[in-house]
Amino acid sequence: NAGVTQTPKFQVLKTGQSMTLQCAQDMNHNSMYWYRQDPGMGLRLIYYSASEGTTDKGEVPNGYNVSRLNKREFSLRLESAAPSQTSVYFCASSQAAYEQYFGPGTRLTVT
Amino acid sequence: GQQVMQIPQYQHVQEGEDFTTYCNSSTTLSNIQWYKQRPGGHPVFLIQLVKSGEVKKQKRLTFQFGEAKKNSSLHITATQTTDVGTYFCAGPVTSYDKVIFGPGTSLSVIP
Repeated sequence: NAGVTQTPKFQVLKTGQSMTLQCAQDMNHNSMYWYRQDPGMGLRLIYYSASEGTTDKGEVPNGYNVSRLNKREFSLRLESAAPSQTSVYFCASSQAAYEQYFGPGTRLTVT
Repeated sequence: GQQVMQIPQYQHVQEGEDFTTYCNSSTTLSNIQWYKQRPGGHPVFLIQLVKSGEVKKQKRLTFQFGEAKKNSSLHITATQTTDVGTYFCAGPVTSYDKVIFGPGTSLSVIP
């Protein structure tokens, strides 16, 4: 029972490159989330998915796309990375809007 | 849109002193959740309150949910160095809504 897993753990991109952050959960949760956390800042919701097949924008969706591939997996894509997207990205899952379980995070640097 | 605020942003205490952080939402919440994030780690769920006026305790931690379900507090009695970290409150408007996090209160404990 791994909980929430994220890959990769670290990534360095050049401006304009694209990449996909992967997230998977094995708790049979319906809801999944992507957050970004900048140094000394709180968690800002990028996108969330209340159930398989649905996705909705959060507070800071610009520059990102998501795919809820199935109930287990929720990926975040940066089509053209910008330095402003340097951050730590957390994926989380929950049953409805209750307690969330977070993955270990992906530390992304865009140069 | 929904906003969640927390005060203070930072708190430095001597070990053994008490600590309180306050959380306020611009809208009534279905539930309030509290998380702790150690430096370099990911947020970890502490507790969830659902009922108006609810009070829950976990050892030295006391959590309250306001009567109007728009505010909450976390009180730590006799802080220890293991309490160091950032404490976040979070909540959805409905049980099937997105969860919005507050900016967090960063606690430092001086031995």
